Amino acid sequence: DAGVIQSPRHEVTEMGQEVTLRCKPISGHDYLFWYRQTMMRGLELLIYFNNNVPIDDSGMPEDRFSAKMPNASFSTLKIQPSEPRDSAVYFCASSRTGDGYTFGSGTRLTVV
Amino acid sequence: AQSVTQLGSHVSVSEGALVLLRCNYSSSVPPYLFWYVQYPNQGLQLLLKYTSAATLVKGINGFEAEFKKSETSFHLTKPSAHMSDAAEYFCAVSEPDNFGNEKLTFGTGTRLTIIP
Repeated sequence: DAGVIQSPRHEVTEMGQEVTLRCKPISGHDYLFWYRQTMMRGLELLIYFNNNVPIDDSGMPEDRFSAKMPNASFSTLKIQPSEPRDSAVYFCASSRTGDGYTFGSGTRLTVV
Repeated sequence: AQSVTQLGSHVSVSEGALVLLRCNYSSSVPPYLFWYVQYPNQGLQLLLKYTSAATLVKGINGFEAEFKKSETSFHLTKPSAHMSDAAEYFCAVSEPDNFGNEKLTFGTGTRLTIIP
């Protein structure tokens, strides 16, 4: 099992550009979570999916953020347009019902 | 609603000394509890979990945690610290959210430093 796979590992972009982060969850996991981690705010849950359906997106900071899960093996988090305050490490995690989460290695986003 | 409190955002111990990281939870029902570790530039990794079986739970890398209902605590311990234990540690509790799904609520983390 390759675990949760995120790409890219690092992303540097200019303010105003569109950014797309990608995640491949573990096969058989029915939950997928997107988190953001910063020094100031710690670990924040942005959105989670159950069986590919978005359940709770109340953590998405603004309309500039959107997430999709077109199938059980792929999810994206998009920021358009990006701003410097979006700079953070973004984690994807997946789980099966009743289990703990398995996290990916994260995408470090820097918006300049 | 449940929450989890980690006492001490930074803990320093000498190499070979006991590691004790504190976690308290608030819950009206028996919880599922977890400890995660995050090494620099990596994601969170599951150390151990309590799911209402044995109250003393053993995890990876020599860590263990004891569930104490009377104290609403789930402290993480390791008898002898290694330099490689330097990391950030997160306690988490599983709770049903408004949509009826079990979801983890994470504590704010404790950064463990090992003194040579």
